[in-house]
Amino acid sequence: EDQVTQSPEALRLQEGESSSLNCSYTVSGLRGLFWYRQDPGKGPEFLFTLYSAGEEKEKERLKATLTKKESFLHITAPKPEDSATYLCAVPPSNDYKLSFGAGTTVTVRA
Amino acid sequence: KAGVTQTPRYLIKTRGQQVTLSCSPISGHRSVSWYQQTPGQGLQFLFEYFSETQRNKGNFPGRFSGRQFSNSRSEMNVSTLELGDSALYLCASSLGGGDSGNTIYFGEGSWLTVV
Repeated sequence: EDQVTQSPEALRLQEGESSSLNCSYTVSGLRGLFWYRQDPGKGPEFLFTLYSAGEEKEKERLKATLTKKESFLHITAPKPEDSATYLCAVPPSNDYKLSFGAGTTVTVRA
Repeated sequence: KAGVTQTPRYLIKTRGQQVTLSCSPISGHRSVSWYQQTPGQGLQFLFEYFSETQRNKGNFPGRFSGRQFSNSRSEMNVSTLELGDSALYLCASSLGGGDSGNTIYFGEGSWLTVV
């Protein structure tokens, strides 16, 4: 069965302390891996789509990378405004939906 | 460009009642999907519509239903509400063509509380 697993569940960082979030997936025939950011009480905000191993995408302090089994979201020199829950998701084989991981809640202290 | 719009944003219902939630997708998007989000279960897929046809349905009881109109707007309905239906209901839209990994954009959600 297709699965998405994110780790760690929670991450507490000091401002400026870089770190990485992990998303591992098991799906045959990957048709994209999606990263979203979700603030409390709001809908997920799209960040990146990665389609093939070796692909990297960046946005401000965030950089997403993809291998054949997992994706990493690197947060470089985070600021308090980067505090959020980060979700990754994949479309299962031949299915019109996204399967989401449980998310990593990042808290950045000033 | 306007994003995905959901109404209402907040609502409180009593057990046994029914509720209808509305969603307007991004202009030009023909696929609309619905998700339920709870602290314990995370984001769970409800159903997906494309050109007024339901293409996929998640593992939810028949009390949960939806439809899509010719202008791509969508509604979902939950009948005979139970306390466990309290959740954030998220609508998302995408271009939806073929089976490629089209990017899905979410609305702000409708917060449903069942008392």
